[in-house]
Amino acid sequence: QVQLQESGPGLVKPSQTLSLSCSVSGGSFTRGGYHWNWIRQHPGKGLEWIGNTYYSGSTHYNPSLQSRLTISIDTSKNHLSLMLTSVTAADTAVYYCARSEWYGFDHWGQGILVTVSS
Amino acid sequence: DIQMTQSPSSLSASIGDRVTIACRASQDISGSLAWYQQKPGQAPKLLIYAASRLESGVPSRFSGSGSGTDYTLTISGLQPEDFATYYCQQFYGIPRTFGQGTNLDIK
Repeated sequence: QVQLQESGPGLVKPSQTLSLSCSVSGGSFTRGGYHWNWIRQHPGKGLEWIGNTYYSGSTHYNPSLQSRLTISIDTSKNHLSLMLTSVTAADTAVYYCARSEWYGFDHWGQGILVTVSS
Repeated sequence: DIQMTQSPSSLSASIGDRVTIACRASQDISGSLAWYQQKPGQAPKLLIYAASRLESGVPSRFSGSGSGTDYTLTISGLQPEDFATYYCQQFYGIPRTFGQGTNLDIK
């Protein structure tokens, strides 16, 4: 059973960089056909797809975040990373990592709340 | 971006009821639609994919239908554990986009 676990600081200061990791266990991280995604949910709001990466390192980003965003993958450690620069209060959210096949996000981490505040 | 619009935004129903949630895409997404259930404090859970295929382990009271731009999620015979928020999501284009959610609560 695939399991995903987000980790990182729960508090980031405005203008700084938000950095999160997602550890993946129980499955083949390098198996083709899966994309590894970051999704966020603002408090009390809906879901926003941030971007994804493939085991090859290729990425797709949400254009609304692209200028501040880097998603990377480390297949030797079975984890993916998210870096979001120049954060503001609008980046306060629960951040999820999730696996997707062609049809849907079928496995999710539990999520991590990141608050942007001084 | 493909905009996904769900209706209604909230819905009250009773145990045993049959409920339907609608989702409309701003363009034809050719059946590339998924439905998720989210309970407070939990990650979303995939229920339906490719518009009408039931994810493994999901009860058969959940069903999906639709094509083109219009899709529906139906729950037949509501159970207490079904009261949650439901989201549709398109897998046709980048960025992936979600509907705004439908909150289903007990009448």
